[in-house]
Amino acid sequence: EAQVTQNPRYLITVTGKKLTVTCSQNMNHEYMSWYRQDPGLGLRQIYYSMNVEVTDKGDVPEGYKVSRKEKRNFPLILESPSPNQTSLYFCASSLLGTGGLADTQYFGPGTRLTVL
Amino acid sequence: DAKTTQPPSMDCAEGRAANLPCNHSTISGNEYVYWYRQIHSQGPQYIIHGLKNNETNEMASLIITEDRKSSTLILPHATLRDTAVYYCIVRPTQKTSYDKVIFGPGTSLSVIP
Repeated sequence: EAQVTQNPRYLITVTGKKLTVTCSQNMNHEYMSWYRQDPGLGLRQIYYSMNVEVTDKGDVPEGYKVSRKEKRNFPLILESPSPNQTSLYFCASSLLGTGGLADTQYFGPGTRLTVL
Repeated sequence: DAKTTQPPSMDCAEGRAANLPCNHSTISGNEYVYWYRQIHSQGPQYIIHGLKNNETNEMASLIITEDRKSSTLILPHATLRDTAVYYCIVRPTQKTSYDKVIFGPGTSLSVIP
């Protein structure tokens, strides 16, 4: 089954304790992306990657890191989490530049992070 | 900077057509319009997309104006399960034109019994 998986789904942590949220896709997609969602603000892109070892900043990259060492995985790293990073996080993937239906993004189920 | 603008909320009576507008006045010739929806806090799901022609699939219809500066998503017979937040975004057709994706707050559609 084609899917994007995220782990963990729920996480409560404390300020300053490094954490990683994993994202994996099984569709051989080049493009992967991380979004955060906060009430009233919709989805805001954190980072995206167009291929292995190629990453770029989205709209709200401060406080986050990513890596793309393998095509299927795109982990989100919070080196020193702060309470303002409490949010709902989504990972997404798609093909790239084929035009139309193939470029639609598939989203993971979300990770709800609380930083105390 | 948002590439699309949508009304924050809309209501629709169950069984009637829901028409959700989206303004994308700065769209370029090599950008598609995509619509997604998000039910509760689930991951957004693809609905439909288009370049310049009107499109229809089993979920919805998409009407794009001739100048491509706006579009309307039509849910022909809205049901309670269509209550969701609907997002309109634009994405380029070519790899070399890819940039960050901006979703914006979307339109919260409430289907009323």
